[in-house]
Amino acid sequence: DTGVSQNPRHKITKRGQNVTFRCDPISEHNRLYWYRQTLGQGPEFLTYFQNEAQLEKSRLLSDRFSAERPKGSFSTLEIQRTEQGDSAMYLCASSHYEQGDYGYTFGSGTRLTVV
Amino acid sequence: EDQVTQSPEALRLQEGESSSLNCSYTVSGLRGLFWYRQDPGKGPEFLFTLYSAGEEKEKERLKATLTKKESFLHITAPKPEDSATYLCAVQLGSSNTGKLIFGQGTTLQVKP
Repeated sequence: DTGVSQNPRHKITKRGQNVTFRCDPISEHNRLYWYRQTLGQGPEFLTYFQNEAQLEKSRLLSDRFSAERPKGSFSTLEIQRTEQGDSAMYLCASSHYEQGDYGYTFGSGTRLTVV
Repeated sequence: EDQVTQSPEALRLQEGESSSLNCSYTVSGLRGLFWYRQDPGKGPEFLFTLYSAGEEKEKERLKATLTKKESFLHITAPKPEDSATYLCAVQLGSSNTGKLIFGQGTTLQVKP
């Protein structure tokens, strides 16, 4: 088990372009989360999947953001028409049922820079 | 509004100098309080979960405690490798999704 894998690690894009990030969770984890973290701040919740169902979305997830988790395996987060304010670290995390005593396992994140 | 606030924002210690980090929370109901450690350029790493006031958990030089309004992360005789950002997060009692509300973190630097 190699943990939660996120790709790419870094992405630089021009304002107005679309970007897509991928997250591969730990295989037996059925819960998957996306968070966004800006410099000097804690992570902010974006969305949650249980298996393939997207069960909760933050109001931070505007119409330009979409996330999928086909077949309950890997997940993608797409940002359309990127803006400079989208520059942040995008973190994926997974867990098995409720995290209880074990918390989430986070990936190393994808750092997005919009120029 | 549910809120988590950590203090101080930054803390510099000499190796061996014990201290505490604070996490205060104002939430409608608490399901669990979590501590994570984050190294630069990496995702947070789980440390502890606390569920009820009076609970304590320890791991090496770290001890986490919980009251009804705040949690403390006590660091005893820290070493330079303890340098990191420490994040506190709460899961609301009304949430069964595991969603966490994080504080802004305390960045700890331990000098040799």
